[in-house]
Amino acid sequence: DIQMTQSPSSLSASVGDRVTITCRASQSISSWLAWYQQKPEKAPTSLIFGASALQTGVPSRFSGSGSGTDFTLTISSLQPEDFATYYCQQYSSYPYTFGQGTKLEIK
Amino acid sequence: EVQLVESGGGLVQPGGSLRLSCAASGFTFSNYAMSWVRQAPGKGLEWVSTISGSSGDTYYADSVKGRFTISRDNSRNTLYLQMNSLRAEDTAVFYCAKEVSSSGYYTYFDFWGQGTLVTVSS
Repeated sequence: DIQMTQSPSSLSASVGDRVTITCRASQSISSWLAWYQQKPEKAPTSLIFGASALQTGVPSRFSGSGSGTDFTLTISSLQPEDFATYYCQQYSSYPYTFGQGTKLEIK
Repeated sequence: EVQLVESGGGLVQPGGSLRLSCAASGFTFSNYAMSWVRQAPGKGLEWVSTISGSSGDTYYADSVKGRFTISRDNSRNTLYLQMNSLRAEDTAVFYCAKEVSSSGYYTYFDFWGQGTLVTVSS
């Protein structure tokens, strides 16, 4: 199975900050990587697919990069609605696997 | 507008069975693979199972293989998850999720339902 490791597990930041979350795969997954946002007590929503393509309707302050084993999710200027938990997921092969999540909290 | 509405969750004793349903609307259901993803209380996301649009291909996590069965009725636009021999560690919110292609290969989840809670406890 492909292991997905996110860092950090939690992050405190302020509105307007630029933040970066990293995700590392235990083997190459090319660009078969997605990012999701989950707010408390809500279902996840899709943010990015193909490592860097923005899902329709997602604000342009979100961006993704990387290929192979190392990936990043960047939020260029944090907004109050961005405080949530973020998950990466590989869909290169079954079983699909998620990172453990990064909880983004208000400083 | 895509809508996915899960139902069928509840409290069940260890060793018991439960069938989850996911009613889909707003898209041509048979054209897309569908999946179940679960989240134990306070934990992260875990993929459970995927079925292709034609029902020809199914995939399972090792943790549920042999106990859970995914199926779909394209005439009713409904996805199912039959769960047998339930264990305490199966306690979770179960989400159905739409994939972006029919095959189930190299696809991610573009829409998720609101989830249904399954609690396995005596």
